Amino acid sequence: DTGVSQDPRHKITKRGQNVTFRCDPISEHNRLYWYRQTLGQGPEFLTYFQNEAQLEKSRLLSDRFSAERPKGSFSTLEIQRTEQGDSAMYLCATTRLFDDEQFFGPGTRLTVL
Amino acid sequence: AQSVAQPEDQVNVAEGNPLTVKCTYSVSGNPYLFWYVQYPNRGLQFLLKYITGDNLVKGSYGFEAEFNKSQTSFHLKKPSALVSDSALYFCAVRDGDNDMRFGAGTRLTVKP
Repeated sequence: DTGVSQDPRHKITKRGQNVTFRCDPISEHNRLYWYRQTLGQGPEFLTYFQNEAQLEKSRLLSDRFSAERPKGSFSTLEIQRTEQGDSAMYLCATTRLFDDEQFFGPGTRLTVL
Repeated sequence: AQSVAQPEDQVNVAEGNPLTVKCTYSVSGNPYLFWYVQYPNRGLQFLLKYITGDNLVKGSYGFEAEFNKSQTSFHLKKPSALVSDSALYFCAVRDGDNDMRFGAGTRLTVKP
């Protein structure tokens, strides 16, 4: 257990529905990252926050994806109008400012039917 | 843009033998290189990193990695493999911004 938690661990939804995932970081970690991991691939960077500021979001996969970190603590990743191609593991990682080691949560596995 | 390649999907070794998991990288500037391990049903765990300095980097669980600038490689090594080392290993690169690029992973199986 790295200290980063994600909820839910599994989510099954029907195509067209909206889903939201939550990540709770290690408390003193300023930076929070979201990744997507599909079967047989490594994690793919989506976006990251430094405290409450979203510093990179150009790599979000489409405008259906959005993320927030309103108080600089937990973060949410929302996917609107889900598609079957969104089925994947969504990972959250956190780190201290100026640190290199990212601590990953266990991930949320999304299945879109 | 930076990238990494892990040329082997699968590596099999016998317990007690040395292991090598290969990684090559491509960056425009100075590379920040990482190895992570993923055990079944668990999150990725940091093993080691190269930022600057000695080309041989030592990390967790007895692993080490050798940075070779001329060959643009960062291979993961361990002198004596354990069955418990069996897992999925990912190489990653970051070239100064906060965008980490991961390889596709190499599944290591250590047989008793």
